Amino acid sequence: GDSVTQMEGPVTLSEEAFLTINCTYTATGYPSLFWYVQYPGEGLQLLLKATKADDKGSNKGFEATYRKETTSFHLEKGSVQVSDSAVYFCALSGKTSYDKVIFGPGTSLSVIP
Amino acid sequence: DADVTQTPRNRITKTGKRIMLECSQTKGHDRMYWYRQDPGLGLRLIYYSFDVKDINKGEISDGYSVSRQAQAKFSLSLESAIPNQTALYFCATSDRQGADEQFFGPGTRLTVL
Repeated sequence: GDSVTQMEGPVTLSEEAFLTINCTYTATGYPSLFWYVQYPGEGLQLLLKATKADDKGSNKGFEATYRKETTSFHLEKGSVQVSDSAVYFCALSGKTSYDKVIFGPGTSLSVIP
Repeated sequence: DADVTQTPRNRITKTGKRIMLECSQTKGHDRMYWYRQDPGLGLRLIYYSFDVKDINKGEISDGYSVSRQAQAKFSLSLESAIPNQTALYFCATSDRQGADEQFFGPGTRLTVL
């Protein structure tokens, strides 16, 4: 079945550092790919998405590119802020998941001043 | 006001007790979901409903039941709570057209002693 793998955390960075969180997926066909973010004490919210190969999703300075050849959707940000501290989930919605979203295990990010 | 609300936000109960978690939404979405979140496991789908007359089991439905009382309300019940059901529970919604983006409630932290 469909699945998502993410780099394990926690990740700790200094403010203004470059962020990469790796995500790879297994799915039949061409799934839609997502990054969700969970701030402390809150539910998940959609950060960005891409629905076809080579699409780039972007929001709040974060970017991720849908790479079908490497089945990856890595999340990047050029300069993180303390307010970016959160848990980040990579996810997919594919043809075999019957409109359900499959989530990765999440990567916790802490940004220190 | 929040679009997706959950009650209670926190609950401590004892083994063997029956517990109901409630979810309400004002987004007008047809589709509703219940997930549980455990550290290192991400989100796992318990049940989902695509409309009032449609209820489906997710990957971890054993020990849980649901009721879709109306388009806006979706309740999760633990018939006889056990300690390994201690987790953070999230309700989510999506609409029929944009089924891939999900909107989450703030979560219910359940502790079973």
